[in-house]
Amino acid sequence: QQPVQSPQAVILREGEDAVINCSSSKALYSVHWYRQKHGEAPVFLMILLKGGEQKGHEKISASFNEKKQQSSLYLTASQLSYSGTYFCGTEDGDSNYQLIWGAGTKLIIKP
Amino acid sequence: NAGVTQTPKFQVLKTGQSMTLQCAQDMNHEYMSWYRQDPGMGLRLIHYSVGAGITDQGEVPNGYNVSRSTTEDFPLRLLSAAPSQTSVYFCASSYGIAGATDTQYFGPGTRLTVL
Repeated sequence: QQPVQSPQAVILREGEDAVINCSSSKALYSVHWYRQKHGEAPVFLMILLKGGEQKGHEKISASFNEKKQQSSLYLTASQLSYSGTYFCGTEDGDSNYQLIWGAGTKLIIKP
Repeated sequence: NAGVTQTPKFQVLKTGQSMTLQCAQDMNHEYMSWYRQDPGMGLRLIHYSVGAGITDQGEVPNGYNVSRSTTEDFPLRLLSAAPSQTSVYFCASSYGIAGATDTQYFGPGTRLTVL
């Protein structure tokens, strides 16, 4: 089942903070975050594993609440380069090691 | 390293035509996959492969075939194109099985229109 991302879109001024959420109805093994700029391929940001391990980006942080089956991506002091659509991909016990992707959150950063 | 490459970048087909989307990677990754991306729906997995000679179906496999004769190449075949297959197609690869702890590397995409 597709994870739900919120908000669908957000507009910020440069320097402001943003939080993007990803929720699932299933118990998750891992959550993966990617960013896609218009007309380009998705690019890896972060993996969060059950148990608390994180792998990823230096300037972007994320949390994974296993009990609530959700993850949040924190973008602090946003830069123009953060603009794009953010996707979460989730792995659960039924997904056979594959990722199920959310519909995306579009982030627009204005100068 | 070129990473993941896809050809063609753009393609227009007529209903009923067949074609092959090419995907290659030079990172010696075992895992390769094909996704389609439609507006507002994120990425949906079509087929994937965990190594040469091994393929499996994803979420939306109907109308598509794949094969994996080498580690490097993973072509996607549209058997008889339909307008519902109009989409952007991404190929991706990772060192291990995606969904475990592995980063996926995406190709630049193929924008397909079926008339």
